Amino acid sequence: ILNVEQSPQSLHVQEGDSTNFTCSFPSSNFYALHWYRWETAKSPEALFVMTLNGDEKKKGRISATLNTKEGYSYLYIKGSQPEDSATYLCALGQDGNNRKLIWGLGTSLGVNP
Amino acid sequence: NAGVTQTPKFQVLKTGQSMTLQCAQDMNHEYMSWYRQDPGMGLRLIHYSVGAGITDQGEVPNGYNVSRSTTEDFPLRLLSAAPSQTSVYFCASSYDPRGNIQYFGAGTRLSVL
Repeated sequence: ILNVEQSPQSLHVQEGDSTNFTCSFPSSNFYALHWYRWETAKSPEALFVMTLNGDEKKKGRISATLNTKEGYSYLYIKGSQPEDSATYLCALGQDGNNRKLIWGLGTSLGVNP
Repeated sequence: NAGVTQTPKFQVLKTGQSMTLQCAQDMNHEYMSWYRQDPGMGLRLIHYSVGAGITDQGEVPNGYNVSRSTTEDFPLRLLSAAPSQTSVYFCASSYDPRGNIQYFGAGTRLSVL
């Protein structure tokens, strides 16, 4: 069984702090790495899908990087706001498609005003 | 645009009962899937479909049946519910048959007594 691991499991930061999380994955048969944002009582929403080693993606204050050779991705949030409070999930696609994603357990972020 | 619609939102079953969880999307997406989410575990794929008339098994298919008679609908059937099927179920869809950028429904919380 292949594992996608996320760290830390949870963290709390103050409004205005910048923070980052890690997603580690096996690099064999890599196809794509997904990041999703999951707010409490809502459904997961896609942030990024990255496929190439060295990819960097940005969406507002949130950005992500990808290293497929060493098997990790970082998600950065600059100047955290209370509305950033959510669980951030990463998922791994392999074997040429994303049909059978392997999901991490997520990093739960709380931003205190 | 309704997106991905799941019904019901909540359901309580007795062991041995059958039921169907409904999932419909109005985005003309080719790929649809069902996940279950349990405490301490990442989202796990139950079944998926890459188009009408085509279904395949995911990571945890036992105890569940699916069919895809139309592009819009992808129901999940529990033929004889068991307490181990107590979970939160999410339906997701993607425009891309390879499963890129998945859009999730709001979830169905199922308890089997």
